[in-house]
Amino acid sequence: QQQVKQSPQSLIVQKGGIPIINCAYENTAFDYFPWYQQFPGKGPALLIAIRPDVSEKKEGRFTISFNKSAKQFSLHIMDSQPGDSATYFCAASKAGGGNKLTFGTGTQLKVEL
Amino acid sequence: GAVVSQHPSWVICKSGTSVKIECRSLDFQATTMFWYRQFPKQSLMLMATSNEGSKATYEQGVEKDKFLINHASLTLSTLTVTSAHPEDSSFYICSAPRLANEQYFGPGTRLTVT
Repeated sequence: QQQVKQSPQSLIVQKGGIPIINCAYENTAFDYFPWYQQFPGKGPALLIAIRPDVSEKKEGRFTISFNKSAKQFSLHIMDSQPGDSATYFCAASKAGGGNKLTFGTGTQLKVEL
Repeated sequence: GAVVSQHPSWVICKSGTSVKIECRSLDFQATTMFWYRQFPKQSLMLMATSNEGSKATYEQGVEKDKFLINHASLTLSTLTVTSAHPEDSSFYICSAPRLANEQYFGPGTRLTVT
């Protein structure tokens, strides 16, 4: 059962644009929502994470928006650059879950010049 | 800098042989580490949880006799793919939680079985 649904599967934006990647979860016990960036042939790198007690978190050009009632969260990349071209994964974990992450299916982002 | 390392980064082996992959937490201790498998253009699939001082916990459908996990110390977990076959060819990635839920991933190991 896919507990974290991610969309879109792929995304192309122009340099400077603001790509938005969306995730929806089902399990209300989830209480930690990280985003990971992965380049081809590399392991995922933690970008930014949020907990349900806040609705938004910014770190540099990356922003997470969180809607607890809708059970949705999204990643916004401000002023996107070609170097941001990568695959992005949302994930979720729950307290008492032993730090196990449930991953979304991934979004392949391409930022064009 | 990297907080989790993996070795080797790339390995080719012949069908029927075994391959060991190491995962190390570099500047912190990890009583738990996780092993994932990733196929091209797909998400990460959790294979097992490596527990220091106890047996690994395997996800449903993962053969524990084929994928042997040993949490040798508080900074080292190993995954051994036994009697490897071409269908075991994949990208294997480990992770370790550092602070609260924050998980850090290794750079991955590309396994090719010929």
